[in-house]
Amino acid sequence: RKEVEQDPGPFNVPEGATVAFNCTYSNSASQSFFWYRQDCRKEPKLLMSVYSSGNEDGRFTAQLNRASQYISLLIRDSKLSDSATYLCVVTPVSGNTGKLIFGQGTTLQVKP
Amino acid sequence: DAGVIQSPRHEVTEMGQEVTLRCKPISGHNSLFWYRQTMMRGLELLIYFNNNVPIDDSGMPEDRFSAKMPNASFSTLKIQPSEPRDSAVYFCASTHNWEGRDQPQHFGDGTRLSIL
Repeated sequence: RKEVEQDPGPFNVPEGATVAFNCTYSNSASQSFFWYRQDCRKEPKLLMSVYSSGNEDGRFTAQLNRASQYISLLIRDSKLSDSATYLCVVTPVSGNTGKLIFGQGTTLQVKP
Repeated sequence: DAGVIQSPRHEVTEMGQEVTLRCKPISGHNSLFWYRQTMMRGLELLIYFNNNVPIDDSGMPEDRFSAKMPNASFSTLKIQPSEPRDSAVYFCASTHNWEGRDQPQHFGDGTRLSIL
């Protein structure tokens, strides 16, 4: 089983739609969680950290469910510019070395 | 503030040639990571350093790959000899790691490597 699993998609949605991605992780002792965004032919960039209590940044909401070991990202009122690949990221358990484990990514296409 | 700087941005070379990729991490960051990304395999961690010391190189594909970090502001990833299957985008990332806090990584623009 992969350490971080995501549905690769693609998710094709119209502008203005609400879309949600889920991600599951295998190790219950993972401590920190992030969502990264990667545009075509660009580097991954931090979108937001994911906190236990859930957190929101504008149209984006991240949730963490430790009991079920999944993380979600909700995008409201999607824009054409939201089209990208969204990477779910967790920290491994073995020590605090700064290492991150990246999922394969979920591709979102927002259409006019 | 300058981000992670990688060079070259693009490299096209013939198989068998030595390839050297370079990375300058963000000033003050003490952890540096080398990744490779392909359509088939996604983003793979090759090796990472903490305080200039290699911590885990289990992702390095084979002995043709080597990485060094001679000081806190510079790292290289070398492939010798290169093969067509090494063609990929190679990313360098850095972060400031301290006990008890996991920090996100900041990525460079990447080097697009094509081995003919």
